[in-house]
Amino acid sequence: EVQLVESGGGLVNPGGSLKLSCAVSGFTVSNVFMNWVRQTPGKGLEWVGRVKSETHGGTTEYAAPVKGRFTISRDDSKNTVSLQMNSLETEDTGVYYCAAEGDWTFDYWGQGIVVTVSS
Amino acid sequence: IVMTQTPLSSPVTLGQPASISCRSSQSLVHDNGNTYLSWLHQRAGQPPRLLIYKLSNRFSGVPDRFSGTGAGTDFTLKISRVEAEDVGVYYCMQATHFPFTFGPGTKVEIK
Repeated sequence: EVQLVESGGGLVNPGGSLKLSCAVSGFTVSNVFMNWVRQTPGKGLEWVGRVKSETHGGTTEYAAPVKGRFTISRDDSKNTVSLQMNSLETEDTGVYYCAAEGDWTFDYWGQGIVVTVSS
Repeated sequence: IVMTQTPLSSPVTLGQPASISCRSSQSLVHDNGNTYLSWLHQRAGQPPRLLIYKLSNRFSGVPDRFSGTGAGTDFTLKISRVEAEDVGVYYCMQATHFPFTFGPGTKVEIK
């Protein structure tokens, strides 16, 4: 059974940092493109970024609003994907989902984790 | 690519058909000939769940009362007979052009 479980969310001050993790079971993260998608009050569902599969070089891509502030990484030994978020802004508040990409869509999603950026 | 949906809210009757429209600001036909338009369903407090991918393909376990049609920039999700479990918000999403983008969602509720 496929499961994606996010952790690491919480409350952080503007300008602060937070690291989210996504633990995966049921498939190997290095074999697929792993994405982060967020759902915010202001913009609804928004793609954040992804790490490509090992066969595609394992490179990362990011949405313009987070480029330079967020970093996605993968730990193949733990079958996890992480999202390091720095210089957080109030607009980053929302629910963050990790999602597996298959056949040009997001076929499996985690339950989501809440991130609140507020002073 | 900007995705728009109509209506934004849709009261439906159990057992009756329902449809949701989605429009993209550019054609979603990829150079390889495929149309990477998906439909997702989100119930309150739950993550989105994939229903339809690549325009008209139902994801594993999705009931056949759901169908996706369309071409170019205009797309439709149809529910042949609405059941109580179908309430929630429906989103279209495009993956033809980078970055992926989502529609604003259509809230379906029972009359």
